[in-house]
Amino acid sequence: ETGVTQSPTHLIKTRGQQVTLRCSSQSGHNTVSWYQQALGQGPQFIFQYYREEENGRGNFPPRFSGLQFPNYSSELNVNALELDDSALYLCASSSLEEEETQYFGPGTRLLVL
Amino acid sequence: DAKTTQPNSMESNEEEPVHLPCNHSTISGTDYIHWYRQLPSQGPEYVIHGLTSNVNNRMASLAIAEDRKSSTLILHRATLRDAAVYYCILGGGFKTIFGAGTRLFVKA
Repeated sequence: ETGVTQSPTHLIKTRGQQVTLRCSSQSGHNTVSWYQQALGQGPQFIFQYYREEENGRGNFPPRFSGLQFPNYSSELNVNALELDDSALYLCASSSLEEEETQYFGPGTRLLVL
Repeated sequence: DAKTTQPNSMESNEEEPVHLPCNHSTISGTDYIHWYRQLPSQGPEYVIHGLTSNVNNRMASLAIAEDRKSSTLILHRATLRDAAVYYCILGGGFKTIFGAGTRLFVKA
């Protein structure tokens, strides 16, 4: 059974640029959630995708968007990057059959200069 | 949205049991209680979860109060590798709210 993987591991961008982060779900999972974790804080929920549809969203602006593909892998896109977007971005996959237990990837660390 | 309250930090000696508390007074009847832990520079790792009954697995035990307004994660014998931030959360998906968690320090 393959775990959740994310790419890239690290990324440096400048303010105003756009970024795409990728996530591959754990085998058998049809739900993907994305989180932002600032240094020293707990993860903050961005949004969740279930069977290619957005299934809930946290308090993040529209410049944070996502996609889920038929194989349940997912992308997080962030437009017009701001300095405060510097954080660890976590992807978690889950399945309703597993009582909402989430399995997290290692994260992508984004630095915006 | 349901929220949880945990102590900021706790300390334990190696090989001793650790009881990590969590208060969740606004829990709804269908919310599962999940515990995750996060080691430095890693994503959170699933530890255990439950709904009403106490639960045991190879990593830990979860004791859930009868009114479900609090729970306790029990590490039976702490090791240095258990030093991490422990998060108690309710539900999943868009209901998921991570607090600051409890940072567990383990002394050799």
